[in-house]
Amino acid sequence: DIQMTQSPSSLSASLGDRVTITCQASQNIRKNLNWYQQRPGKAPKLLIYDASNLEAGVPSRFSGSGSGTDFTFTISSLQPEDIATYYCQHYDSPPPRLTFGGGTKVEIK
Amino acid sequence: QVQLQESGPGLVKPSQTLSLTCTVSGGSISSGGYHWSWFRQHAGMGLEWFGYIYYSGSTYYNPSLKSRVTISVDTSKNHFSLKLSSVTAADTAVYYCARSVSGHDIFDYWGQGILVTVSS
Repeated sequence: DIQMTQSPSSLSASLGDRVTITCQASQNIRKNLNWYQQRPGKAPKLLIYDASNLEAGVPSRFSGSGSGTDFTFTISSLQPEDIATYYCQHYDSPPPRLTFGGGTKVEIK
Repeated sequence: QVQLQESGPGLVKPSQTLSLTCTVSGGSISSGGYHWSWFRQHAGMGLEWFGYIYYSGSTYYNPSLKSRVTISVDTSKNHFSLKLSSVTAADTAVYYCARSVSGHDIFDYWGQGILVTVSS
């Protein structure tokens, strides 16, 4: 099974800071990697799909890059509403396989 | 705008079957093109995927949970359901339903989640 290693597990940054989260796959997953935001007490929300595509309606300060085994998620300028846990998610088929990263909790310094 | 809403009992006794329903609005399950999935999240933990169902009734289950899980669909009511048998306290979690495009497990719409507690 493919393992997804997400880091860091938590971070604290100031408003306006650039925030970077990484996700590393245990083998080549091409660009089959999505990023979600989960605010406390809320459902996950899709932000980035297929490594670098911004979901409709998502602010442009969010971005993703990478392919193969190494992926990066960036918030260009941290806002108060970005306080959340962020997850990467790999998918593949057949058969369908889903793997989530362990999550990164983003807090305001 | 597609919306998903989970419903069901918030408290289930050990050894019983947990039953949840996800009602879809703003779109029809029977229009095809999408997989309809169930997830759960234990407190402070990550997401666990149960599997999905297509409008035709075809299913795929996560092998790690397959033995206790049944996902079904009722297109006439535009909802799909999760049954988890023989529950224990370890099944206490927030349960979510979600939609993905068939063949691309990108989950673009989610329900708000429902907390299910397993306790006598």
